[in-house]
Amino acid sequence: DTGVSQDPRHKITKRGQNVTFRCDPISEHNRLYWYRQTLGQGPEFLTYFQNEAQLEKSRLLSDRFSAERPKGSFSTLEIQRTEQGDSAMYLCASSLGLPNTEAFFGQGTRLTVV
Amino acid sequence: ILNVEQSPQSLHVQEGDSTNFTCSFPSSNFYALHWYRWETAKSPEALFVMTLNGDEKKKGRISATLNTKEGYSYLYIKGSQPEDSATYLCAFQPGSGAGSYQLTFGKGTKLSVIP
Repeated sequence: DTGVSQDPRHKITKRGQNVTFRCDPISEHNRLYWYRQTLGQGPEFLTYFQNEAQLEKSRLLSDRFSAERPKGSFSTLEIQRTEQGDSAMYLCASSLGLPNTEAFFGQGTRLTVV
Repeated sequence: ILNVEQSPQSLHVQEGDSTNFTCSFPSSNFYALHWYRWETAKSPEALFVMTLNGDEKKKGRISATLNTKEGYSYLYIKGSQPEDSATYLCAFQPGSGAGSYQLTFGKGTKLSVIP
């Protein structure tokens, strides 16, 4: 499979626990993005990597959220001390570093905080 | 805060009907407008990336137009089929500054095609 893959697909966690999601982008893509979608909303931008460098972060990304892309390949998104408001679909996407190119999305990780 | 609006929010059409949706976005600092189709339990799938005012793109029975001066794009589906049932999202990409690589999505139009 040459698409963007995310793991896990679903995660249920208790409030206060830490969770980590993984994203494996399309191999030749140097750009990687994280988005979050809550019920009834469109996806909201969280952060962006060019290779291993995290170049942009949304104000939505509180101090409890951290993302890494250590070798410019896969990425992880960690949420510490989860809150019920963190329940959402977390989407990863990747793209080539060329103008006007589309981003390819994974199927997302559905997080439920109970 | 960028405002990207899509209408209608949801739509039910009969198989064979043609339909269209609207996406409105800021007319200033424009770089590109993206359309995605998102079927339940699948990944959002890119349909079009549109950059030029007056642009028209087509993919099979789906086409889109772009008006950057007034800040709107239309997506058309000709002869809707049940497999077209999905949520259609548009996303605005600004032209410069810190937000250049961020897509601002609308809430989507959920299309249901009734056989």
